[in-house]
Amino acid sequence: AQTVTQSQPEMSVQEAETVTLSCTYDTSESDYYLFWYKQPPSRQMILVIRQEAYKQQNATENRFSVNFQKAAKSFSLKISDSQLGDAAMYFCAYRSADSGNQFYFGTGTSLTVIP
Amino acid sequence: DSGVTQTPKHLITATGQRVTLRCSPRSGDLSVYWYQQSLDQGLQFLIQYYNGEERAKGNILERFSAQQFPDLHSELNLSSLELGDSALYFCASSVTGALDNEQFFGPGTRLTVL
Repeated sequence: AQTVTQSQPEMSVQEAETVTLSCTYDTSESDYYLFWYKQPPSRQMILVIRQEAYKQQNATENRFSVNFQKAAKSFSLKISDSQLGDAAMYFCAYRSADSGNQFYFGTGTSLTVIP
Repeated sequence: DSGVTQTPKHLITATGQRVTLRCSPRSGDLSVYWYQQSLDQGLQFLIQYYNGEERAKGNILERFSAQQFPDLHSELNLSSLELGDSALYFCASSVTGALDNEQFFGPGTRLTVL
């Protein structure tokens, strides 16, 4: 089974500032997908951003971007210009065909945005 | 609103009982996924169906089973319930179920086993 590690159980950021959430994973596979999901207090899971391992360019979605370091097996999420609505639990996830299309999730990072 | 519906929203039952959770995917989505979120186990992928066929299997217990019907709705059956099965159960759907497909999650069913 693949392992996804989020070493920061809690993070906080001042509104309008930038914060980076860490994620590392363990795999011997060469092609896979990585995701960041957001779970606000409403509990509804929302896809934030995704990255295919074969793509060199880091994915970006508006204020959200990733720093994908394949050799280091690292997939961090950067949130720029943090807003109060960004307060949520963030989960990093891994998926690959070689792993039977299963999803493997990290334990999550709880992000607090300070006004 | 993601367009994915789950019923019921809350379910309280006793140990040893059996329950059925229901999920209706977004219109046009062919693939359905089930997840369990608990304090002990975190967020776990259970199973995926695509157009009625099982596509991927995760940490789903033998006491649990699921299926996707011809109208594409899905049901997750949990039997011989234990206290540890108390959790939030999510359903998600995607268009094709491909690896990079965006999943749209339902609001979840909160199961409490007493």
